[in-house]
Amino acid sequence: EAQVTQNPRYLITVTGKKLTVTCSQNMNHEYMSWYRQDPGLGLRQIYYSMNVEVTDKGDVPEGYKVSRKEKRNFPLILESPSPNQTSLYFCASSFWGEGREQYFGPGTRLTVT
Amino acid sequence: AQKVTQAQTEISVVEKEDVTLDCVYETRDTTYYLFWYKQPPSGELVFLIRRNSFDEQNEISGRYSWNFQKSTSSFNFTITASQVVDSAVYFCALTVPNAGGTSYGKLTFGQGTILTVHP
Repeated sequence: EAQVTQNPRYLITVTGKKLTVTCSQNMNHEYMSWYRQDPGLGLRQIYYSMNVEVTDKGDVPEGYKVSRKEKRNFPLILESPSPNQTSLYFCASSFWGEGREQYFGPGTRLTVT
Repeated sequence: AQKVTQAQTEISVVEKEDVTLDCVYETRDTTYYLFWYKQPPSGELVFLIRRNSFDEQNEISGRYSWNFQKSTSSFNFTITASQVVDSAVYFCALTVPNAGGTSYGKLTFGQGTILTVHP
């Protein structure tokens, strides 16, 4: 089944404890992206990647890191999480090209206390 | 900059009613792409439709239909004979090619419309 998977789905952690949210897709998509969803602020792009070893900042990259060592994986790294990073995170992927539809993972609900 | 407005925050209907979700967009680009996504109570985002700015043909898929009007910068979504399973948050989104050289592929989302279908 074609899909985007994220792990973990739910995570409660404490301020400053490094964490990684994994994202993997099995559709051979070149493009991958991370969004966060917050009440009143909607969905905002954090980082994106156009292909292996090519990543760039989205609208809200502060406090996050990403890497793209393999085509299928695009982990989101929070080196020192803070409570303002409590959010619902989505990974998305698509084929490279203008206006391609993006397919989203199931979401990861992160709480930082 | 791009903007998507979904003025209806919440809509409540009874099963079998038709319902239209409004979406108005703003962009200076002549080439752009519009999308609708569904977020059911389980939380995932489900792709529903994609439309490019050069194709104003309306589309129907089962009980779903979309009306794209460039003259009014609108891309409205109609559910015919709504069902309880249609209850979800619906997002309209917009992307433009290589937006100013940054945030390639970024989807600009509206705030979403919460649709509740009562039995």
